[in-house]
Amino acid sequence: DTEVTQTPKHLVMGMTNKKSLKCEQHMGHRAMYWYKQKAKKPPELMFVYSYEKLSINESVPSRFSPECPNSSLLNLHLHALQPEDSALYLCASSRGLAGEVGEQFFGPGTRLTVL
Amino acid sequence: QQQVKQSPQSLIVQKGGISIINCAYENTAFDYFPWYQQFPGKGPALLIAIRPDVSEKKEGRFTISFNKSAKQFSLHIMDSQPGDSATYFCAARGGRYYGGATNKLIFGTGTLLAVQP
Repeated sequence: DTEVTQTPKHLVMGMTNKKSLKCEQHMGHRAMYWYKQKAKKPPELMFVYSYEKLSINESVPSRFSPECPNSSLLNLHLHALQPEDSALYLCASSRGLAGEVGEQFFGPGTRLTVL
Repeated sequence: QQQVKQSPQSLIVQKGGISIINCAYENTAFDYFPWYQQFPGKGPALLIAIRPDVSEKKEGRFTISFNKSAKQFSLHIMDSQPGDSATYFCAARGGRYYGGATNKLIFGTGTLLAVQP
């Protein structure tokens, strides 16, 4: 298995809802990432996990809560989001954090719409 | 110093032509420079990457040229095809500047490439 999968593909939620995004990889990668991408913009890093520990939090609002239950799985819990949080949420993984093993492979993304 | 500047913003090339996208950076601590290709509604796909100790890397029709002294790098797509129509992002990795191995990528603003048949 050489891909990063993300579910759901599309999500519509209200501002009072609680939902979760899921990301999975079975490539044995030990680093996983969440990015946010607005239309016609580059991906923006949100969180980095290395060996299931949070390595980077790019000052993301607390309404986004990441979780890494094991080395293959990464979740993003969403609560009390705002309409401006609507975006494509991308997950990525890499074998490690340095050198050639740092090459990041992206999933297809979850298109989130907040009403 | 954390920016990567990418140009042009959009590019139209005839089928069979050469597409050239340029990027420039300031931070000399960047240690890895990948290019990503993204189709509408899809995640970015790693296309090709280069380290700063290499001046050129070629994979099929895609070539990265790297000029360390000028702090510039570019993507050349030879024999461009309509299937190459996508958005291309250059990126640079933070390296030592970020106090250790964080693998943070700084992306350029993207180039929308259209290859006309």
